[in-house]
Amino acid sequence: GENVEQHPSTLSVQEGDSAVIKCTYSDSASNYFPWYKQELGKGPQLIIDIRSNVGEKKDQRIAVTLNKTAKHFSLHITETQPEDSAVYFCAATSNIKAAGNKLTFGGGTRVLVKP
Amino acid sequence: NAGVTQTPKFQVLKTGQSMTLQCAQDMNHNSMYWYRQDPGMGLRLIYYSASEGTTDKGEVPNGYNVSRLNKREFSLRLESAAPSQTSVYFCASTQTSGGLRAQYFGPGTRLTVL
Repeated sequence: GENVEQHPSTLSVQEGDSAVIKCTYSDSASNYFPWYKQELGKGPQLIIDIRSNVGEKKDQRIAVTLNKTAKHFSLHITETQPEDSAVYFCAATSNIKAAGNKLTFGGGTRVLVKP
Repeated sequence: NAGVTQTPKFQVLKTGQSMTLQCAQDMNHNSMYWYRQDPGMGLRLIYYSASEGTTDKGEVPNGYNVSRLNKREFSLRLESAAPSQTSVYFCASTQTSGGLRAQYFGPGTRLTVL
């Protein structure tokens, strides 16, 4: 089955600096990679996703890059703000209907943005 | 749209008690999922329902049962709760026809088993 590893487990940045979170996956059939943000006491919320036919996707201060050859993908947050402080999860899945579109999650990265 | 709703938000059980966690979605999604999240860990899949009328085991199904009551509702049952089942439980849903799409999560149920 799929295995997703996420690094680092914790990340402390100064407000205004950039934050980068990296994930690697094992199943070359995986072709969809969402990122979730989880604030304290809440459920994970989708912030951005990327499909395997795209190498990079941006949404304002957030960008995701995908390297299919190396089987890794990264989340980039620029100009970090205190409200970016949360736990971030990467995930991967493949378009196999029999698998029910199951997501495999990374272990999470706790991001702290210091004012 | 309320999205994915879960009840209850908090629950305390004694070892051996049973309870059902409820989940409903109003997005007309065909697939629904139950996860547990333990402190400092990621999300682990307990059971999922790819479509109405079907259910399948995930990564950690032992001690749980599920029912896909209709397209909107997917419940998780603990028949005899154990302290190891103390966790936060999340329900999620997605539409799997027409290509891969993100799963949308509910707010969670925080369960403590004494």
